[in-house]
Amino acid sequence: AQSVTQPDIHITVSEGASLELRCNYSYGATPYLFWYVQSPGQGLQLLLKYFSGDTLVQGIKGFEAEFKRSQSSFNLRKPSVHWSDAAEYFCAVGADRVDMRFGAGTRLTVKP
Amino acid sequence: DADVTQTPRNRITKTGKRIMLECSQTKGHDRMYWYRQDPGLGLRLIYYSFDVKDINKGEISDGYSVSRQAQAKFSLSLESAIPNQTALYFCATSDGYANYGYTFGSGTRLTVV
Repeated sequence: AQSVTQPDIHITVSEGASLELRCNYSYGATPYLFWYVQSPGQGLQLLLKYFSGDTLVQGIKGFEAEFKRSQSSFNLRKPSVHWSDAAEYFCAVGADRVDMRFGAGTRLTVKP
Repeated sequence: DADVTQTPRNRITKTGKRIMLECSQTKGHDRMYWYRQDPGLGLRLIYYSFDVKDINKGEISDGYSVSRQAQAKFSLSLESAIPNQTALYFCATSDGYANYGYTFGSGTRLTVV
């Protein structure tokens, strides 16, 4: 079965600095990959998704992610972090009719 | 109004009590899901439903039951709540396979004392 690993439980970055959140997946075929963001007290919001094609995908709020098959990774990036980006971020892989697996999440703190 | 609405937002209940969490959606999606979120564990699937007559167990269904009253309504019940069911519960919908991505509700924080 597919699985997702987010190696970083908590990351702190300064406002204006660049950000990269790591995600590694395990799946036998090309997976469908997602990044979600969860702001405090809110549900999860889809940031971006990868199905096929261009391995660099653009999402909302200035985020992008790159699919690297050789590394089984789908890392999320943002060139300049804003204080409002402080949230928890979840990587997910969906491969079957229903089975979407989520990583444990990475909590992002933004320093002024 | 939110696309996916969960009620209540917060609930404290006692061990052994039966409790129902409700979810309604205006997305017109056929597929609905219940997830549980625990710190450090991400989200785990409890039950899912592809239509009113198609309900399936997920990864952690023991101790839970569901009812799909209509296309737009999917409720989760804890028959006899226990403290380790204390968690944040999310309802989600999709208009296709999981591959298409989900729309989530804002969650219900349940505490069992």
